[in-house]
Amino acid sequence: KAGVTQTPRYLIKTRGQQVTLSCSPISGHRSVSWYQQTPGQGLQFLFEYFSETQRNKGNFPGRFSGRQFSNSRSEMNVSTLELGDSALYLCASSAMLDSPLHFGNGTRLTVT
Amino acid sequence: DAKTTQPTSMDCAEGRAANLPCNHSTISGNEYVYWYRQIHSQGPQYIIHGLKNNETNEMASLIITEDRKSSTLILPHATLRDTAVYYCIVRAINQAGTALIFGKGTTLSVSS
Repeated sequence: KAGVTQTPRYLIKTRGQQVTLSCSPISGHRSVSWYQQTPGQGLQFLFEYFSETQRNKGNFPGRFSGRQFSNSRSEMNVSTLELGDSALYLCASSAMLDSPLHFGNGTRLTVT
Repeated sequence: DAKTTQPTSMDCAEGRAANLPCNHSTISGNEYVYWYRQIHSQGPQYIIHGLKNNETNEMASLIITEDRKSSTLILPHATLRDTAVYYCIVRAINQAGTALIFGKGTTLSVSS
């Protein structure tokens, strides 16, 4: 069974631009979560979706948003990029809300 | 904030058992203990989880104390490929969501 797929793998953007990251969960998984990883703050929870509904949101500004489609695929968007948004963005999926999360290898975003 | 305490780093000789401790003294009755590991530049990998009974799978064993205030992850025969950051996480499953709150983890170095 294919794992969680995230695209693109690497991305370079300029301050003020916006970016969209994509995540395809493991087949049959209905929950998708997003995490940000930086050297300073470590792994931090962004948001969680289940059946197209946002179930939980971390402590991030409104510039960070996401959505989940009917096929469980998910996208996250960051508007008005700042230098501090440079990070590894990880997507994880799970079969149900109480199942283990399985992570993709992330999208590394660099903001210049 | 993370609800677990782990040593910053540990060393292990190849072929020996690696025993990684974790303290979670404030764990609640409905919270599970999860273990993940992250190898450089990859997403976190799910290892094992448990509620109160000891658990074993093909990767590792999880020993949870009777009072559930601490646990130990055991890699029975460590290899060089087990060198990674290991995260112990306490996870509650509730209507508000199922986010993983990562701490700094334990960096395990396996050497030959």
